[in-house]
Amino acid sequence: GAGVSQSPSNKVTEKGKDVELRCDPISGHTALYWYRQSLGQGLEFLIYFQGNSAPDKSGLPSDRFSAERTGGSVSTLTIQRTQQEDSAVYLCASGVFGKLFFGSGTQLSVL
Amino acid sequence: DAKTTQPNSMESNEEEPVHLPCNHSTISGTDYIHWYRQLPSQGPEYVIHGLTSNVNNRMASLAIAEDRKSSTLILHRATLRDAAVYYCILRDVGGATNKLIFGTGTLLAVQP
Repeated sequence: GAGVSQSPSNKVTEKGKDVELRCDPISGHTALYWYRQSLGQGLEFLIYFQGNSAPDKSGLPSDRFSAERTGGSVSTLTIQRTQQEDSAVYLCASGVFGKLFFGSGTQLSVL
Repeated sequence: DAKTTQPNSMESNEEEPVHLPCNHSTISGTDYIHWYRQLPSQGPEYVIHGLTSNVNNRMASLAIAEDRKSSTLILHRATLRDAAVYYCILRDVGGATNKLIFGTGTLLAVQP
């Protein structure tokens, strides 16, 4: 595909369940980022990957959040024991030379 | 991280130029100035970036002050499609990470 692809586009889950969000970056982009955006708010940085390693995890809000990237490509963001405050749009971006391309996001709703 | 300051909101009329200001008085020598915009219900979209010299592309122009403590994004002829939140961001190429920290941005309304 030509752009960053995220799946699912929408996810409704019950409090306490685990969820996995997937990001397929643009082919060849070594940098990959996860952000989240709560309703009416700005973007909150979560984690940055360079290749398969994550030199900056400083934005992960708690140890319930984890992310991995394999093969320098696909990344998954996992949220364990979801809470209602985790409800937000989770955005993935890949980039090169500082120019980021964002996906359309996953809208996560925790009931 | 060096921070940016932008007005919360601005209004423009269609077909007129728009100048979106950004202050970054603590900018360092290795900080690039990036602009992104976010249309309703979409992820952010890259607009333009620069270091010291003014930059032009098909979307906009970026005017950078000589002391680099401020910059202005210029949309030459606003259209209704330009209504969005515009983010001015500094990226430190000399740091250990290349993360972009998004502030609250400027909400641009374009009137027909």
